[in-house]
Amino acid sequence: DAKTTQPTSMDCAEGRAANLPCNHSTISGNEYVYWYRQIHSQGPQYIIHGLKNNETNEMASLIITEDRKSSTLILPHATLRDTAVYYCIVPSPHYGGSQGNLIFGKGTKLSVKP
Amino acid sequence: DVKVTQSSRYLVKRTGEKVFLECVQDMDHENMFWYRQDPGLGLRLIYFSYDVKMKEKGDIPEGYSVSREKKERFSLILESASTNQTSMYLCASSSEYSGRAGYDTQYFGPGTRLTVL
Repeated sequence: DAKTTQPTSMDCAEGRAANLPCNHSTISGNEYVYWYRQIHSQGPQYIIHGLKNNETNEMASLIITEDRKSSTLILPHATLRDTAVYYCIVPSPHYGGSQGNLIFGKGTKLSVKP
Repeated sequence: DVKVTQSSRYLVKRTGEKVFLECVQDMDHENMFWYRQDPGLGLRLIYFSYDVKMKEKGDIPEGYSVSREKKERFSLILESASTNQTSMYLCASSSEYSGRAGYDTQYFGPGTRLTVL
């Protein structure tokens, strides 16, 4: 998998936008960027993914730079329930067959404060 | 919405016991996975399955086995539980390769926190 680097932790005020950066300078042309989050004591939750265009869904927006070496996950109006560890992942096929393996790094611990 | 359920949220077993962890998904996904998560080590893949009765070893298969007799169900078996298998176990599923960079979104269950005494 392409290596990703994220800040260890970030704080955000409730109601404000949370912007979580991720560097993936070794990403190859056909590799996607995925974001997951994990709320304490729960399983990881898929948020969004993208290749080169910006993406938006009901949870978040993903902005990918033109050179694809970095991206930013945006939670437009953070709530206390968004407090979690956010993982930026660039998976690639790893085993026989087509299914890639998810490598979760340390992620960014986002704390949303009242 | 995809739903992945796991048989227990918390489980306490004794050393040497045989332990079954069950995972069920309701989205007709072909692929299913078992991970364990430990502090400082992140998620590590134990086994995965891309079809009924098919299985592939992940990064840390030792001490575990799996069973996939039906498409919706993937079981993780600890033949003889040991204290170093105390961990959070996470099951995930995903649909078949879609042509997008050899990977598709994985959906996770809530996890089973297993303690082996």
